[in-house]
Amino acid sequence: GQNIDQPTEMTATEGAIVQINCTYQTSGFNGLFWYQQHAGEAPTFLSYNVLDGLEEKGRFSSFLSRSKGYSYLLLKELQMKDSASYLCAVNTGGFKTIFGAGTRLFVKA
Amino acid sequence: NAGVTQTPKFQVLKTGQSMTLQCAQDMNHEYMSWYRQDPGMGLRLIHYSVGAGITDQGEVPNGYNVSRSTTEDFPLRLLSAAPSQTSVYFCASSYNTGGSEKLFFGSGTQLSVL
Repeated sequence: GQNIDQPTEMTATEGAIVQINCTYQTSGFNGLFWYQQHAGEAPTFLSYNVLDGLEEKGRFSSFLSRSKGYSYLLLKELQMKDSASYLCAVNTGGFKTIFGAGTRLFVKA
Repeated sequence: NAGVTQTPKFQVLKTGQSMTLQCAQDMNHEYMSWYRQDPGMGLRLIHYSVGAGITDQGEVPNGYNVSRSTTEDFPLRLLSAAPSQTSVYFCASSYNTGGSEKLFFGSGTQLSVL
């Protein structure tokens, strides 16, 4: 079967660093995505990893280990506007992208 | 640039009614898909299309029909609505089907079936 696991909720403080983990077991792998979704809005793309290692994009970084079926999203210098859900998704090939249930991040002052 | 446009934003149906959720994109994307999002379950793929005239089933296709007569449009039809279809529906598109392309999402349709 296909499975993507991530924590349901996390809380962090403004200005801090937070790491959101994602583990996956899928029948195929053609890349891993992270999306951000604010309440009541559509998901928007944050990052893409297909090779092992770290991809950095401003305050956001994403890491992938294909052998471990593991990824994390690192958010630095947290801001209140970063309060949102973060969705881990895997393109399994065959034109299908499947999503985890998402991690709700609360940033407190 | 409108991106991906979904209509309606909200809809209430009675059990057994039919309706069509509309999705259109103006980015000339080959790939289009429909997802539903339920609390605690994340986004689940209903149907997808890799080009005009080509559609296929996703994870949860039962109760839904799709067609793709043009590159721009990908409507989702509920033939006989059931309360289990109460959900938020998102249409998404991407430039190609190679897997490395990010998805662009519409703003969603919140559907309630009574």
